[in-house]
Amino acid sequence: AQKITQTQPGMFVQEKEAVTLDCTYDTSDQSYGLFWYKQPSSGEMIFLIYQGSYDEQNATEGRYSLNFQKARKSANLVISASQLGDSAMYFCAMREGYEYGNKLVFGAGTILRVKS
Amino acid sequence: NAGVMQNPRHLVRRRGQEARLRCSPMKGHSHVYWYRQLPEEGLKFMVYLQKENIIDESGMPKERFSAEFPKEGPSILRIQQVVRGDSAAYFCASSTTGGLNTIYFGEGSWLTVV
Repeated sequence: AQKITQTQPGMFVQEKEAVTLDCTYDTSDQSYGLFWYKQPSSGEMIFLIYQGSYDEQNATEGRYSLNFQKARKSANLVISASQLGDSAMYFCAMREGYEYGNKLVFGAGTILRVKS
Repeated sequence: NAGVMQNPRHLVRRRGQEARLRCSPMKGHSHVYWYRQLPEEGLKFMVYLQKENIIDESGMPKERFSAEFPKEGPSILRIQQVVRGDSAAYFCASSTTGGLNTIYFGEGSWLTVV
């Protein structure tokens, strides 16, 4: 069974508009963490934002925010005021429990294209 | 730049040769992880190491692949007798502890087997 599901293979957004990238997850652990990473065409993995399962507030980092809906098991990434440089592949990932260290499970990714 | 350093960035090997990928974690990080990204896919966990110990190698192929993180020096991912299916991007990541904190990735090593 898929632990992380990203249902949007590709998304387009107009420059300066906001965009939401979907991510749903599946776990029976009470303690887990959710991550979003950006992978531009150059290939590196850039950490964007982290949400812990016990965090009561949604995480925010600059133009990135994570819409965490625990009951729905969703952790959507919202990018406000899109920029051309936001065009990249975006991965949602989950870490379960404490004993696995930072063993992350990744989704298949969403390609975001920002149009001028 | 004190980030996670991987080298080489790009490596080409003929079938049957050995590939060695190196990873120096961020300063102060003692936990290292290797992930593999096949073309058009997300990253998949391979192995988790601390200094001189393999903690979890549940994602490592049973044959030809090995990893180490010696007391001194970088972590090494070694692939013996490479095959075309080993062509992928190999990412190293590090963290300060094994617990709930942020993990940072290196820029990746792209292996092409010809």
